Amino acid sequence: DVKVTQSSRYLVKRTGEKVFLECVQDMDHENMFWYRQDPGLGLRLIYFSYDVKMKEKGDIPEGYSVSREKKERFSLILESASTNQTSMYLCASNSGQKTQYFGPGTRLLVL
Amino acid sequence: QKEVEQNSGPLSVPEGAIASLNCTYSDRGSQSFFWYRQYSGKSPELIMSIYSNGDKEDGRFTAQLNKASQYVSLLIRDSQPSDSATYLCAGIRSYNTDKLIFGTGTRLQVFP
Repeated sequence: DVKVTQSSRYLVKRTGEKVFLECVQDMDHENMFWYRQDPGLGLRLIYFSYDVKMKEKGDIPEGYSVSREKKERFSLILESASTNQTSMYLCASNSGQKTQYFGPGTRLLVL
Repeated sequence: QKEVEQNSGPLSVPEGAIASLNCTYSDRGSQSFFWYRQYSGKSPELIMSIYSNGDKEDGRFTAQLNKASQYVSLLIRDSQPSDSATYLCAGIRSYNTDKLIFGTGTRLQVFP
């Protein structure tokens, strides 16, 4: 069965903190994605990775970085969290152009 | 113009009726489209994918693609209250085939 997991369901952080969101998939997928989802704005792509140590900016990369040291793991890093980064963060993975499978999401609140 | 556009709704239909969800896209070269369902507080899950012009049926769901009109739709027959969710339309950009671009979603409410 397809499985994408995210390290936390809920996180509360302070402005200026460094935040790590982790995503793990067990399907041997090459591609992994980080999105944020906000009311009225839908799902927006932050970064994606098409191979280990490879990454590409999505539509809204500002304020974020990513790391992919192993094929199954893709981390999203907020170097200095700000209140406008309060959002739902969703990780997804796929192989080629096939269906993207989503993790359960992390709801981040930055105070 | 948004790349993938959906009416935010809510679309309210009675139980047993057909729900029709619509989506338009601007990239004429897009080939592949997906419908995801997202329950409140949950992550999106794939309902259907469609790559060719015409209809594709899977149980109570039918996806329709009209590339000439740049229009994708999802029909849900015999709607149930459990179908109440937000439905996201997504397409793959013709010039960057690794990425999905999502619409903002249509909220469907099926009332008993």
